[in-house]
Amino acid sequence: GAGVSQSPSNKVTEKGKDVELRCDPISGHTALYWYRQSLGQGLEFLIYFQGNSAPDKSGLPSDRFSAERTGGSVSTLTIQRTQQEDSAVYLCASSVGTGYGYTFGSGTRLTVV
Amino acid sequence: QKEVEQNSGPLSVPEGAIASLNCTYSDRGSQSFFWYRQYSGKSPELIMSIYSNGDKEDGRFTAQLNKASQYVSLLIRDSQPSDSATYLCAVNQGTGGFKTIFGAGTRLFVKA
Repeated sequence: GAGVSQSPSNKVTEKGKDVELRCDPISGHTALYWYRQSLGQGLEFLIYFQGNSAPDKSGLPSDRFSAERTGGSVSTLTIQRTQQEDSAVYLCASSVGTGYGYTFGSGTRLTVV
Repeated sequence: QKEVEQNSGPLSVPEGAIASLNCTYSDRGSQSFFWYRQYSGKSPELIMSIYSNGDKEDGRFTAQLNKASQYVSLLIRDSQPSDSATYLCAVNQGTGGFKTIFGAGTRLFVKA
């Protein structure tokens, strides 16, 4: 596609529920990243996918967070048993490869009530 | 010490002036450096990439890199009110690294 597409754009969920966030990167971009940004804060790295290599999950804050990337394209970030501190904007980005700048999606604003 | 440090600002400059944004980083092996612009409520947008020491110019923007001092800067000439945003410095990890570490950003206000 023309850009990085994320869905949903907004998600309100009750504490304890599971949520799935989707990212469709730019076609041909081999690298895909998930970051989150809390209100007024910087970007926190979560996870990175590069081609068919094993993802780097070093930024995931707890085992409630997981992500997968199917067929080297679409990625899903899953948060189980959501907590209020999970409330943030979740940003997906893709790039042509390691060491290049990112194109970000418009983000998913997650609110846990 | 934070990996990528920026002055949070806000930095306020009059329209037409030069805005100077600065950033230091801790990983001496870093190879790729970026500046992103983020308008309020929007996602970051890549505006400059720089990979070697010296200056790189693109329109009204100039990125400067000094690896010996572990310092990156962004100059915005002829600042416009539309340049008012948060500017994020980002540094790719050193050799073999894959993820980019972002600074917390500097808020810039350009007064008309």
